[in-house]
Amino acid sequence: AQSVTQLGSHVSVSEGALVLLRCNYSSSVPPYLFWYVQYPNQGLQLLLKYTSAATLVKGINGFEAEFKKSETSFHLTKPSAHMSDAAEYFCAVSDRAAGNKLTFGGGTRVLVKP
Amino acid sequence: EPEVTQTPSHQVTQMGQEVILRCVPISNHLYFYWYRQILGQKVEFLVSFYNNEISEKSEIFDDQFSVERPDGSNFTLKIRSTKLEDSAMYFCASRVLHSDPEAFFGQGTRLTVV
Repeated sequence: AQSVTQLGSHVSVSEGALVLLRCNYSSSVPPYLFWYVQYPNQGLQLLLKYTSAATLVKGINGFEAEFKKSETSFHLTKPSAHMSDAAEYFCAVSDRAAGNKLTFGGGTRVLVKP
Repeated sequence: EPEVTQTPSHQVTQMGQEVILRCVPISNHLYFYWYRQILGQKVEFLVSFYNNEISEKSEIFDDQFSVERPDGSNFTLKIRSTKLEDSAMYFCASRVLHSDPEAFFGQGTRLTVV
C-alpha cells in the first residue's frame, strides 16, 4: 500500500521568504508524484507532477519540486513567497496500475505574513 | 480550457435521505474518480470507474454508495441513505489516458447531512 506523509500541518512564512513543504512517500513500485493546491472554498489544482522524466520538476506559480528516490521525498519549494500563495497544499502519490488512484498526504496549510 | 464541472456546489440533506452528486468530466477523458474530504482531514479515494464499470473502490465505498455514467457525459455518485458522517466535500476527477496519470478535479460538492 502506498502512503504519503507531509511534515507540518501548518507553515508560516514571510512574504519574500523561501517556501519549503516536505513530502515523503512510500511505494513498492516507482511512483507518480503530484503536488496540488487548494485555495479556500475551491477545488484541487495541480501545481506539478513527477512521472519519471527529470527529477527536478517545475510547476505553475514559480513552484518546483525535486524527486529524491534515495530519500523517498518530493519536497515542494518556491524561492520567494507571495501573499497569493496562502492556501493548503497536498502531496499525492499514485501507482502505475490501471487505476492510478491518488493517495494524498494530510496537507500543509501555508500562511504568508506581510 | 476544459474543466470538470460538479453540481450542486453545496447540498444540505436530512439523515436517511438519498443524494445524487453530479459531475461532468472533461469530454475526451476515459477514467473517472470520486474522492471525499471530511472537514479538516485528508482527501480520500472512494472509487474509480473505467469502461462503464468500477475498476477499484475503497473500504469507504460500501453498499450505500453507487456510481453511474448514465448518458456518456454525466458521472454520478449516489448515497442511498445518508449518515451524519457522510458530511464532506466530494470531488470528482477525470483522466484522459492510462499512460497519463494527471487527474483533473472539479470544484467539489459540499454535502452537509443534518
